[in-house]
Amino acid sequence: GAGVSQTPSNKVTEKGKYVELRCDPISGHTALYWYRQSLGQGPEFLIYFQGTGAADDSGLPNDRFFAVRPEGSVSTLKIQRTERGDSAVYLCASSPGENEQFFGPGTRLTVL
Amino acid sequence: AQSVAQPEDQVNVAEGNPLTVKCTYSVSGNPYLFWYVQYPNRGLQFLLKYITGDNLVKGSYGFEAEFNKSQTSFHLKKPSALVSDSALYFCAAEYNFNKFYFGSGTKLNVKP
Repeated sequence: GAGVSQTPSNKVTEKGKYVELRCDPISGHTALYWYRQSLGQGPEFLIYFQGTGAADDSGLPNDRFFAVRPEGSVSTLKIQRTERGDSAVYLCASSPGENEQFFGPGTRLTVL
Repeated sequence: AQSVAQPEDQVNVAEGNPLTVKCTYSVSGNPYLFWYVQYPNRGLQFLLKYITGDNLVKGSYGFEAEFNKSQTSFHLKKPSALVSDSALYFCAAEYNFNKFYFGSGTKLNVKP
């Protein structure tokens, strides 16, 4: 079956621009997570959705970061006024609710 | 604060020899513990998890992990390493409901 997909796979943008990263979870998975992985580091939790609502957004670094999941399936991570420090791989994972997460391949964001 | 530590950036082992990849977690409640593997250009893949019960957990691809509460450790093990096991391994802990903390990763090199 189809796994978690993320688009685009790579995104290059200029400092100050707005970007949107998309995540398509596995069908039927109610939980969805966003992580950020910097080079040489493990994934860093950003936000967790249960259904349409953000159950925990304590990992979002500042108010430039925002995520939505309006219909409880696809999610979009939005970053305003991008900074060079935002460059990283952004990972999405979904879960049927039994602790195990299924990760997508990630979106590599480069801010020039 | 909750955290997960992987003290070794890299582990080298000869094919056929046993391998151990170390992980310790901070003591704060009773976290669920996980191991994930990441192959180049692919998403993280679940290997195994410890929720409760038997301290030795068996997972995918012949891997197992031993939970040690007194040492706050959850080391990943395999009796006989394969060259194809070479990858990046991440330990993770779930402290609060659905909030995960990952270690910084350990690169496993299995040489023929």
